Amino acid sequence: SQTIHQWPATLVQPVGSPLSLECTVEGTSNPNLYWYRQAAGRGLQLLFYSVGIGQISSEVPQNLSASRPQDRQFILSSKKLLLSDSGFYLCAWSRSGSTGELFFGEGSRLTVL
Amino acid sequence: AQSVTQLGSHVSVSEGALVLLRCNYSSSVPPYLFWYVQYPNQGLQLLLKYTTGATLVKGINGFEAEFKKSETSFHLTKPSAHMSDAAEYFCAVSGYAGGTSYGKLTFGQGTILTVHP
Repeated sequence: SQTIHQWPATLVQPVGSPLSLECTVEGTSNPNLYWYRQAAGRGLQLLFYSVGIGQISSEVPQNLSASRPQDRQFILSSKKLLLSDSGFYLCAWSRSGSTGELFFGEGSRLTVL
Repeated sequence: AQSVTQLGSHVSVSEGALVLLRCNYSSSVPPYLFWYVQYPNQGLQLLLKYTTGATLVKGINGFEAEFKKSETSFHLTKPSAHMSDAAEYFCAVSGYAGGTSYGKLTFGQGTILTVHP
């Protein structure tokens, strides 16, 4: 069966510090991968998605970047965090050529102080 | 282009009462429709989905939803609410985009369900 893991689960960082959130998928190959953010009262915002290694599409301009160094690994990064980067970050995957159904990780709570 | 509107950001019901969460969609292609549930500080979990075939879809935890093309709706219902149903619910839509491609999910803004004893 397929599983998705992301870490860390909770992170408190000062403004201006770097960020790295990691997500891995097991039990499938060539998944589509996604990073979403949930800010309070703002629903789900798609940040990045990837259809293959090294292929990253950004949905919104922002202070964050994403990378996919391996088929089932997706990393969300920032060089210098802003207060507005605080939120709940969710990694998700879908099967290539599927109906778009997403499978979500457990989420990472980021607080920038 | 696709969009989803969830009517009511907060819904409150008594335990044992009917749960009705409303979702209307807009899609230029035949839609695939989903309902997800999110408990506090957790990821989203699929409740049910409609792709093709029977328009009344049954999901986990006693939930069901009916696809009504004429009304562009996909409302979520449960006959009798339980305290454990308290969570946030998201409706989402995708659709066939050509070749082997399917569109990314577009989510509604979510509805927080509160269940009173």
